[in-house]
Amino acid sequence: DSGVTQTPKHLITATGQRVTLRCSPRSGDLSVYWYQQSLDQGLQFLIQYYNGEERAKGNILERFSAQQFPDLHSELNLSSLELGDSALYFCASSAKMSSGDTQYFGPGTRLTVL
Amino acid sequence: AQSVAQPEDQVNVAEGNPLTVKCTYSVSGNPYLFWYVQYPNRGLQFLLKYITGDNLVKGSYGFEAEFNKSQTSFHLKKPSALVSDSALYFCAVRDRDNFNKFYFGSGTKLNVKP
Repeated sequence: DSGVTQTPKHLITATGQRVTLRCSPRSGDLSVYWYQQSLDQGLQFLIQYYNGEERAKGNILERFSAQQFPDLHSELNLSSLELGDSALYFCASSAKMSSGDTQYFGPGTRLTVL
Repeated sequence: AQSVAQPEDQVNVAEGNPLTVKCTYSVSGNPYLFWYVQYPNRGLQFLLKYITGDNLVKGSYGFEAEFNKSQTSFHLKKPSALVSDSALYFCAVRDRDNFNKFYFGSGTKLNVKP
């Protein structure tokens, strides 16, 4: 158990809808990362937040947004969902914002868009 | 251009034999390099990382990796494979010269047979 929690575990929704995925980092960790894992795209880095501020940005679509709250939990919002958004979404956390920090991954949220 | 390449989709090895999972990268500057392992229906677990210093890095579960700057490689190795090592292995690189973007390889499935 990494100490990172993600809810929900599974999510099934329809195209065009909007969903919110939630992540609670390990106790004391200030950085949160979001990743998308799909069969065709592999594991893609989406975005990193550190203590509430955006730190690094990867291949995150404009339909997707994220934020980190004062209690350090983070939410990933996915809107205008398409079939291709079906994937496993992972959150990870690390202690600081250093590029070399070890990331600890949550169990993931499996999103299915029908 | 692919930033991280894992040329083998699958590696098969007999229990007790040494194993190597290959990784090459193509980011500029001095990247940070990581190996993660993913077991079925689980999040990624950190194995080891190279930040600076000794090119041979030792990590969890008896794994090690050697950073080779001239060959831009970071191959994962273990002297004696266990059946329980069977999993999906990901190499990752943090590009410190490109807004700290994080790139993962496509993954290599390691099968260790008894």
